Parts: sequence; C-alpha cells; structure tokens
Amino acid sequence: AQSVAQPEDQVNVAEGNPLTVKCTYSVSGNPYLFWYVQYPNRGLQFLLKYITGDNLVKGSYGFEAEFNKSQTSFHLKKPSALVSDSALYFCAVRDIGSYIPTFGRGTSLIVHP
Amino acid sequence: ETGVTQSPTHLIKTRGQQVTLRCSSQSGHNTVSWYQQALGQGPQFIFQYYREEENGRGNFPPRFSGLQFPNYSSELNVNALELDDSALYLCASSLDVTSGELFFGEGSRLTVL
Repeated sequence: AQSVAQPEDQVNVAEGNPLTVKCTYSVSGNPYLFWYVQYPNRGLQFLLKYITGDNLVKGSYGFEAEFNKSQTSFHLKKPSALVSDSALYFCAVRDIGSYIPTFGRGTSLIVHP
Repeated sequence: ETGVTQSPTHLIKTRGQQVTLRCSSQSGHNTVSWYQQALGQGPQFIFQYYREEENGRGNFPPRFSGLQFPNYSSELNVNALELDDSALYLCASSLDVTSGELFFGEGSRLTVL
C-alpha cells in the first residue's frame, strides 16, 4: 500500500523568506515522488518529481525538493518566497510497482507581503 | 500543443440524476485518469484508462463509470447522483501509463442539490 501525509494544513511565510512544505510517505518498494501546485479554481500543475538519482530535485518556479529515504520525506522548499507562490500544494507518491499516484490532503501556502 | 480540456466547467444536478463529464487529453497522451476532489481535500483516484481499457480503479462504487475513445479522449459518467458527489472532477492525461507526470485539466465542478 502507498500513502502520503502532509502534516500541515497551512504554512505562513513572509515574502523573501525561505519556505518549506512538508511531506512524508509510505510505500512497500521504492517511491516515485511528486509535487503539484493548485491555484484557486484551477487544476493541478506539475512542479517536480523524484524518480532516482540526486536527492535534491529542482523544479519549476524556483522550487526544489529533497528526498530523504531514512526519514521517508520529500519536503518542498524555496529559498525566497513570493506572494504569487500562495496556493495549495499537493505531494503525491507512487510505488515503483504501481501506475497510480496517491495524493496528500494538500497544504495551503500563504505568503504575506 | 493543446493541453487537457474538460467540459462542462460547472454544472448543477439534483439527486438521482445522471451526469457525463468529458475530457480531451493532451496531444500524444494515451492515458487518462479521473480524480474527485472534494472541498478542502486532495484528489481521490477514481479510475484510469490506457488505450481504451480500464487500467485501475479506486474505491468508488459502480455507478461511477468511464470510457476512453480511440482518440484518447474520455468520459466520466455518474449515475444516481448523491449529495456527496458534489466535488471538482479532475481529468489528467499522461504520455503513457508508466509516465510519472500528470497533466491536469481545470476540472468540472459538480453541485448536486
């Protein structure tokens, strides 16, 4: 079975400060991990993915995520937040033997001017 | 390159009615997945179609059914609508069934009264 947890419903950060949105996962094999962003009344947009290789993955809009196998985490980060980053962020995991990703409940990121 | 398009964008139905939602996948993509996103929740997997065959199904009752056509567009049908079916229904296409990255449409918001 595969599952993903996003422990924070909401993250608040000031513009210009670094941001972290947390994600932990559970799979029986090796994970494929993803981050998506959803703006109000829109579909989800792909940000980045980890399949294999370097634990630090760089994605769209200056976001990056760090895969930590020992902590089963895949936290999303950005060095300097923008007000326009305010949105819903979803972490998703797929077991290497599965074609269907499981999504977390989402974390609302609010960046204050 | 055309993205994923869904129709209708909004609709209102009453309990017991039936609804059909449509999705055109991104050009070159042969896999379509449908998700239900209730307010404040992450997307829940309904089913996936790969080359016109159902390739996986989530924990949804049989009154949720689907089709994929030779051009890889897809339909989601829901019979005997219930109040809890009110949600944003998202269609996502991918290059093929093994691809990790999903390309989402903007969704069809269904309200059941």
